[in-house]
Amino acid sequence: SAVISQKPSRDICQRGTSLTIQCQVDSQVTMMFWYRQQPGQSLTLIATANQGSEATYESGFVIDKFPISRPNLTFSTLTVSNMSPEDSSIYLCSVTGPLMNTEAFFGQGTRLTVV
Amino acid sequence: QKEVEQNSGPLSVPEGAIASLNCTYSDRGSQSFFWYRQYSGKSPELIMSIYSNGDKEDGRFTAQLNKASQYVSLLIRDSQPSDSATYLCAGTIFGNEKLTFGTGTRLTIIP
Repeated sequence: SAVISQKPSRDICQRGTSLTIQCQVDSQVTMMFWYRQQPGQSLTLIATANQGSEATYESGFVIDKFPISRPNLTFSTLTVSNMSPEDSSIYLCSVTGPLMNTEAFFGQGTRLTVV
Repeated sequence: QKEVEQNSGPLSVPEGAIASLNCTYSDRGSQSFFWYRQYSGKSPELIMSIYSNGDKEDGRFTAQLNKASQYVSLLIRDSQPSDSATYLCAGTIFGNEKLTFGTGTRLTIIP
């Protein structure tokens, strides 16, 4: 499996501000995804990060709120914009392929608290 | 109807016994299935993947898939206290690698 480095690991932010989360992989991967895990709940897919083009967002998530970049095959960022306390969650980067047989692996996660 | 459903638990099992975790899915196009283990405060860790009908064994873990019944399960034999965690079932649809997760089952192994 790939080594996935996600940072920051945690942050406390003021409402109305933005936070950018980085995901770096040590090898080329096929797919990169961003998930959100709200307290006590399961994982919900925010979007698929597409290399060199706009991300593909799931229902309920929009680019203005969660802009995503993926400039190359090994790096992606997720920005949480104009934060409110409801954005307090764990944000997780996930990757698959090309040698992972569709298996997905996760970064360490970013625990975000908005105050 | 949720696409992937799990018995939400919590589930308590004595140490040394077999823990049985179950998952059903609604989309017959679902192709691949995965079991993740998540310790509190940590990210999900892949423990089993299964792609075809039948059983797949890896150490103390056995995954079972029945596509006709749209049912996936995970058996943990000789349960250990270190197995105490939340177990997440996830599936993908053919041609699409994004995961759909169940709600998770919290498992506690009682010494």
